Amino acid sequence: QSVLTQPPSASGTPGQRVTISCSGSNSNIGSNYVYWYQQLPGTAPKLLIYSIYQRPSGVPDRFSGSKSGTSASLAIRGLRSDDEAVYYCAAWDDSLSGRVFGGGTKLTVL
Amino acid sequence: EVQLVESGGGLVQPGRSLRLSCAASGFTFDDYAMHWVRQAPGKGLEWVSDISWNSDTTGYADSVKGRFTISRDNAKNSLYLQMNSLRTEDTAFYYCAKDNGRAAAAGTAHFDYWGQGTLVTVSS
Repeated sequence: QSVLTQPPSASGTPGQRVTISCSGSNSNIGSNYVYWYQQLPGTAPKLLIYSIYQRPSGVPDRFSGSKSGTSASLAIRGLRSDDEAVYYCAAWDDSLSGRVFGGGTKLTVL
Repeated sequence: EVQLVESGGGLVQPGRSLRLSCAASGFTFDDYAMHWVRQAPGKGLEWVSDISWNSDTTGYADSVKGRFTISRDNAKNSLYLQMNSLRTEDTAFYYCAKDNGRAAAAGTAHFDYWGQGTLVTVSS
């Protein structure tokens, strides 16, 4: 059971906009930055979004992050087949004094 | 180009020990905190441990506290994870990950580069 809650799956067709949610509590998302990682099949995770909405260089602006209260979201617009991956949210948890992840959302491009 | 290469994984019996290594290159190793993150096969990510740039500060997940020890050798650009009293539930891919800063700061630290991982299997 992960501290951060994500839907196990999401899907969309090429060109669509998809949103992945991440729900937490006041001790994690509610009071700290949120991060998103993308894990393509058979590869290591890669940083996608940091500090809620910032993108590392090389990450296209099709990917965007947001936060409201104790929830965060990752939006992907102009969906592409190579966006098929598992997406994880992460944050620091003040109560646990540790870094926590969501369980991951497997995105399928139909 | 940042490269992180883990080694030392393998099959080990419950209760035994294993030491993982991570060789870093492509950046100034002693300017950054480092982390270990694991992933059980087919499962999600779990942060394991972190260490500040100068080894002054370390942190551990509750699941490994008292059994695992993180360390680094800045002269060798290397990160280590000593794993003792291994349990079957420690079976996972172990990733070495670079922090974005020096201190592995609670709210702002994140993993901006990852290695490819090394598999640890704990089984009798």
